[in-house]
Parts: sequence; C-alpha cells; structure tokens
Amino acid sequence: NAGVTQTPKFRVLKTGQSMTLLCAQDMNHEYMYWYRQDPGMGLRLIHYSVGEGTTAKGEVPDGYNVSRLKKQNFLLGLESAAPSQTSVYFCASSPPGGYTGELFFGEGSRLTVL
Amino acid sequence: AQSVTQLDSQVPVFEEAPVELRCNYSSSVSVYLFWYVQYPNQGLQLLLKYLSGSTLVKGINGFEAEFNKSQTSFHLRKPSVHISDTAEYFCAVTNRDDKIIFGKGTRLHILP
Repeated sequence: NAGVTQTPKFRVLKTGQSMTLLCAQDMNHEYMYWYRQDPGMGLRLIHYSVGEGTTAKGEVPDGYNVSRLKKQNFLLGLESAAPSQTSVYFCASSPPGGYTGELFFGEGSRLTVL
Repeated sequence: AQSVTQLDSQVPVFEEAPVELRCNYSSSVSVYLFWYVQYPNQGLQLLLKYLSGSTLVKGINGFEAEFNKSQTSFHLRKPSVHISDTAEYFCAVTNRDDKIIFGKGTRLHILP
C-alpha cells in the first residue's frame, strides 16, 4: 500500500534556485495539505486543498506556490529558494470533511537551501 | 483563529512509569482535538481524536486523553511507558474550517 508518496526525499538547493515537491496519494482523498517542520516549531501549514483545482493559504504561505491539477497530486513549488526555507516538508491527505483529523502523512522531504 | 500550546518541549520518564503530556488550546468555537505521534525519521500517525461524546478518549498503544472544556485542555496519558514509546508527540486542533493546526511538539524520552 503506497498511501502518500513524496518526491524527492532529499534535495539541496542554492539560494535563488527553484524546485517542485510532488505529493501523490492513492487513497482517493479529497483534501491534501503541505506542512513544514522545523525544530521547536512543530508543523506549520503552508497551503492546502479541499479538492481538485482548489488551493488555499495556510499559516506560512509566503515564498511557496501550490497546484492541484489532478485529485491525486499536490505540488509545492519554491520559485526562488531562500535559506529560511531549509526544512522538512510533509504532505498529508484526508477524506472529505478533513476536520475529522485523520490525516495520512508522507515520509517527508528534507530540503536544504545553501 | 484556533491555536495549540504544548507546555513541555521535552519530557523524560523512566520505563514503566506513567506519563502525561500536556496540551492546551484556544478557539472561539467548538473544536476537534487530536494527538499524533512521530517516530524518528517518519511521518506522523494518528494516536487518538476527540470529535464529540465521551470526554475520555482511548487510542492506540495504550494511550488515552481527556477533553476538558472548562480548562481548554486535552492532555495525553499512558499508565506505563515502554522504550518503544520514544517519539515526538503533537497535539492538533481544528474548528472545522479545514485547517488542522499543530502544536510545537513534545519529545518523550524513556529512561532505562
């Protein structure tokens, strides 16, 4: 069972470079989320989507863009990476009514910006 | 807007001793509350959740939590911890606006 798959798992960027993180889920979930995890900060919501073609801002959206062109995929983009974006990024998905709290997480993508 | 405060960043406890991890929340409306666990180098997984009904909620791996509306708390407890419980624990809240907000986490260290 694949569940939620994130690619790549590790990436090193130079300041100013761009990249895209891909999240794919095979559970037919409507809701998808991108979080970043930093030491002592917990998980902070970047962007989320409640269905194909929809996106919304979370707590810390600046410097990121997202797209949900297909129900199973949720892409997180960094147009011009900054050292402050060094973090571990987690994607999660949930069935409709995401507020029931059953988030299914990927294993994370560790990004380092030099 | 809702928020979550986990009062302890780290909790050391001896193996087979009881533990309580504290969580307080703030919200102007009714909330749903959750505890997630993150084992080293893994994603998060759901331990338990409170949606409605009984204020004492039982989860996986022997954990339970009690919802206390008057104190706006949702503390996690286990009567006897094991070395395998070493992990980071996150409290989370939503007020049904599709955003699930997490606390900063509590690292549970099990001492032999």
